[in-house]
Amino acid sequence: QKEVEQDPGPLSVPEGAIVSLNCTYSNSAFQYFMWYRQYSRKGPELLMYTYSSGNKEDGRFTAQVDKSSKYISLFIRDSQPSDSATYLCAMSSFGGYNKLIFGAGTRLAVHP
Amino acid sequence: EAQVTQNPRYLITVTGKKLTVTCSQNMNHEYMSWYRQDPGLGLRQIYYSMNVEVTDKGDVPEGYKVSRKEKRNFPLILESPSPNQTSLYFCASSFRRGGGSTGELFFGEGSRLTVL
Repeated sequence: QKEVEQDPGPLSVPEGAIVSLNCTYSNSAFQYFMWYRQYSRKGPELLMYTYSSGNKEDGRFTAQVDKSSKYISLFIRDSQPSDSATYLCAMSSFGGYNKLIFGAGTRLAVHP
Repeated sequence: EAQVTQNPRYLITVTGKKLTVTCSQNMNHEYMSWYRQDPGLGLRQIYYSMNVEVTDKGDVPEGYKVSRKEKRNFPLILESPSPNQTSLYFCASSFRRGGGSTGELFFGEGSRLTVL
């Protein structure tokens, strides 16, 4: 069993839809949770960062962490064609960046 | 412009022919790392370096070497490439903070390697 599971999709939604992307994990020591966005032929870039449990909102994006269920989510409101990308969840135990474990990524397509 | 630069971006080679993928960052980051990205497997860490002359294995180090002689450069060396090393490779860097880092890695644009 992988430490981090993420549905690869692809996920196709119409413009304006609310998108929900999810990851589950097995390592209860994970405390740092991130979402990276990767456009085609580009490197990943950090989109959202959350420490421990709770919600974090940044514009149209909301990250949720439920440590009791070992489940994290990224919500995208009012999705735009420019949101079309692969979204990678990543997480680590205390120590942050050094030992990030990535999910396989979910490919999202937002069509006009 | 702050960036991580990898070269080459695309490479086709044959089994056993040594190659080096270069990585350079201009952000004065202490930490650098190499990942490979394969369909269904996501990003897996190959090697990382906490600072000059300090390197350590990641999760999939077999068949790879690295060196960190200068802070800005972190080349990935494949001494004898094999077809199972066909992959998309990413170099990444970050500031090193004593715990509590945001985990923000800055990635290069990737190097697509095909080994025939």
